[in-house]
Amino acid sequence: EPEVTQTPSHQVTQMGQEVILRCVPISNHLYFYWYRQILGQKVEFLVSFYNNEISEKSEIFDDQFSVERPDGSNFTLKIRSTKLEDSAMYFCASSEVMPDTQYFGPGTRLTVL
Amino acid sequence: GEDVEQSLFLSVREGDSSVINCTYTDSSSTYLYWYKQEPGAGLQLLTYIFSNMDMKQDQRLTVLLNKKDKHLSLRIADTQTGDSAIYFCAERDSQGGKLIFGQGTELSVKP
Repeated sequence: EPEVTQTPSHQVTQMGQEVILRCVPISNHLYFYWYRQILGQKVEFLVSFYNNEISEKSEIFDDQFSVERPDGSNFTLKIRSTKLEDSAMYFCASSEVMPDTQYFGPGTRLTVL
Repeated sequence: GEDVEQSLFLSVREGDSSVINCTYTDSSSTYLYWYKQEPGAGLQLLTYIFSNMDMKQDQRLTVLLNKKDKHLSLRIADTQTGDSAIYFCAERDSQGGKLIFGQGTELSVKP
């Protein structure tokens, strides 16, 4: 069964460093999403992406964040200058169309020291 | 704004039924979802229900939707220890496609 994959599973970085989180969505899906879950809090929407453009973004998704589909399979989330409060589990999701059922990856745990 | 609320914990005995409840605020939501998260794992889609349905059954899972009260529930029949996980309710935003999640209910199944 096709699934969304994410790498790395855990990333530790120093405050102020740039990180790139990678996702491989399900191959025939056209819509891609990033969510995050700070420990003990709700899963929050960050951004949705279609046709090489951001479709929607939340207030959390400020200028420190960017997304890219650098090739036909990967979808990335970049955080330019990480802050302590960026420590969270980041989930990638994809759907065939929008709106539609979203399938999630296993997540990347980001720890900012 | 849109909000989804769930109780935080539920403990049941193996073989009993579990009922996990959820309330939401966006009356124009078209789809509501249940996801399961096992320790260290991602969000696994369990089931979903379209807003014009009252009930959906899928093997041991039964979803009930009370649209008037904006209340969603997930019933797991014959709960097993392998069902121990966090269960998230989510509504799909009526304007776009984003999901709005509850805080998750941690289900503990005791043998």
